[in-house]
Amino acid sequence: GAGVSQSPRYKVAKRGQDVALRCDPISGHVSLFWYQQALGQGPEFLTYFQNEAQLDKSGLPSDRFFAERPEGSVSTLKIQRTQQEDSAVYLCASSLVPGTGNEKLFFGSGTQLSVL
Amino acid sequence: DQQVKQNSPSLSVQEGRISILNCDYTNSMFDYFLWYKKYPAEGPTFLISISSIKDKNEDGRFTVFLNKSAKHLSLHIVPSQPGDSAVYFCAVNFGNEKLTFGTGTRLTIIP
Repeated sequence: GAGVSQSPRYKVAKRGQDVALRCDPISGHVSLFWYQQALGQGPEFLTYFQNEAQLDKSGLPSDRFFAERPEGSVSTLKIQRTQQEDSAVYLCASSLVPGTGNEKLFFGSGTQLSVL
Repeated sequence: DQQVKQNSPSLSVQEGRISILNCDYTNSMFDYFLWYKKYPAEGPTFLISISSIKDKNEDGRFTVFLNKSAKHLSLHIVPSQPGDSAVYFCAVNFGNEKLTFGTGTRLTIIP
């Protein structure tokens, strides 16, 4: 398919465990975003990449959260020592041009993380 | 602080009637506004957008209205169809690299 792909679809982690969430953006898309969506809330910005450069990580809630996109395509969001408050759907989105500007984002189906 | 508010968590509309979803935002100099639609277990999908230099944009059954003085955005769907049942998110680009989303409105179309 030509859409944004995220894996795993579901992840259950024990509190304190490290997790890694993967995002495959649409081929050729320059911009990649990670959003966190808690139950009953809208998506909240975590971090933004333009190619391999992480230009904004102001939304990462703590230093337990780390994201990378080393070759400017696939991205990984890593959460260390997971806590129950990390339980949410993690959405990845990409767009063809730098930044959001007037360009719509294409979202993946998300990874639903449950921390027990 | 840049905020986007959708004050109605849910809305039910008869099939064939008009659905009106509302959104309010805080002040900013450069704004671009988008509506996304989300089905369960899927990511949001883009629906329609409008820039701050316009007050209306229409695409088929969907029309977005922008009232800049009131800092208010609305989405009109007419006629409403059962497939329109979903959660609708208003999103604003406040001039930086990211979108700020509202909390969403769950629209249910009653056959």
